[in-house]
Amino acid sequence: KNEVEQSPQNLTAQEGEFITINCSYSVGISALHWLQQHPGGGIVSLFMLSSGKKKHGRLIATINIQEKHSSLHITASHPRDSAVYICAVREGGLSNFGNEKLTFGTGTRLTIIP
Amino acid sequence: DTEVTQTPKHLVMGMTNKKSLKCEQHMGHRAMYWYKQKAKKPPELMFVYSYEKLSINESVPSRFSPECPNSSLLNLHLHALQPEDSALYLCASSQTTGVLNQPQHFGDGTRLSIL
Repeated sequence: KNEVEQSPQNLTAQEGEFITINCSYSVGISALHWLQQHPGGGIVSLFMLSSGKKKHGRLIATINIQEKHSSLHITASHPRDSAVYICAVREGGLSNFGNEKLTFGTGTRLTIIP
Repeated sequence: DTEVTQTPKHLVMGMTNKKSLKCEQHMGHRAMYWYKQKAKKPPELMFVYSYEKLSINESVPSRFSPECPNSSLLNLHLHALQPEDSALYLCASSQTTGVLNQPQHFGDGTRLSIL
């Protein structure tokens, strides 16, 4: 079973700071997801990565397959970025055929202070 | 607004009640998921339906009974729940292309409280 670890568990920063959240996993995967969950509960999919780097607005996600590690960066952070950021991995192989079963990390609670 | 709609948003029920949670999507996704999430914990997978058939049951107690009547709709029937079942119940859906990776689309959840 894949072990997915995130760091830090909690992060408080001032508005405008550059934010980095890390995720590591133990077993080879077919994809890694970064998800955002606001206090209301709904989850938004930010990125799905299987290699390299993706950028969307102020958010950047990178993955190093050899090191089994991914990072989520937020540039020019804003209070509206305050949320829980969750890393989740999809394992490869036929066991996942027909679905996108994910193993979740424990999340990073980000608070951006104005 | 999310493309996966869950109703109700909040539900309070007694331990002897029977209720149902509903999830609907019209994106043509053929995989649908139920998750349970306790406070400050990540979501825990409960069930996966693929092409309207139950493909994964993560050893969930029988007081939770899923149903997928058609490709757009997923229900979770609740009966004789325990206080520890109080949680946020999330529904998600995804394409089912087998070997290709697809994102999951989540609903806003139903916050369930058992008295």
